[in-house]
Amino acid sequence: GENVGLHLPTLSVQEGDNSIINCAYSNSASDYFIWYKQESGKGPQFIIDIRSNMDKRQGQRVTVLLNKTVKHLSLQIAATQPGDSAVYFCAENIPGTYKYIFGTGTRLKVLA
Amino acid sequence: EAGVAQSPRYKIIEKRQSVAFWCNPISGHATLYWYQQILGQGPKLLIQFQNNGVVDDSQLPKDRFSAERLKGVDSTLKIQPAKLEDSAVYLCASSLYRSDTGRDEQFFGPGTRLTVL
Repeated sequence: GENVGLHLPTLSVQEGDNSIINCAYSNSASDYFIWYKQESGKGPQFIIDIRSNMDKRQGQRVTVLLNKTVKHLSLQIAATQPGDSAVYFCAENIPGTYKYIFGTGTRLKVLA
Repeated sequence: EAGVAQSPRYKIIEKRQSVAFWCNPISGHATLYWYQQILGQGPKLLIQFQNNGVVDDSQLPKDRFSAERLKGVDSTLKIQPAKLEDSAVYLCASSLYRSDTGRDEQFFGPGTRLTVL
């Protein structure tokens, strides 16, 4: 939604550079994770997901890395573009449910 | 394909007043969610419906919040009476089962931004 990222941690990157956004999750039993992108005035939009039996998954310009040992996820965006400016959330699926716990989010600002 | 529709987009009320939000999910999506997103935070699940039945409402403040999904399609979320801390964006999502992941993929609406004065 509007101004959703007002007090969030901010990552500023130069256009064309790679971006890395990090997320710590809480439940060691979580076995499915999603990265969402939320632009101002819009709801979260699915970017990429990963299951716990993988440690890396690649999409178009995006890669998600999962480190289960330290309960850490990262989202890498290659050749960051102005359209990538948004707030990014990770979400973990509570095992055995359809419920997702969202992280606090990171605002990505792409500098021209 | 049309996305999840929500209305109104913005609402300003005074504390102790009542307010209702409406959601129309993507056609054919059996599961519908309402989330509350407070400024600077990630969305928090309030209630989840499967068709017209409630699956999870453990985080819904039932003394003031209520939701229904009559006929298993549209849903309304009501707050009565509103408090200052209810100021947030209320997001509706619907989901479709994906056989490749064995999970539901959620599609979010644009949200309703509520300001309680």
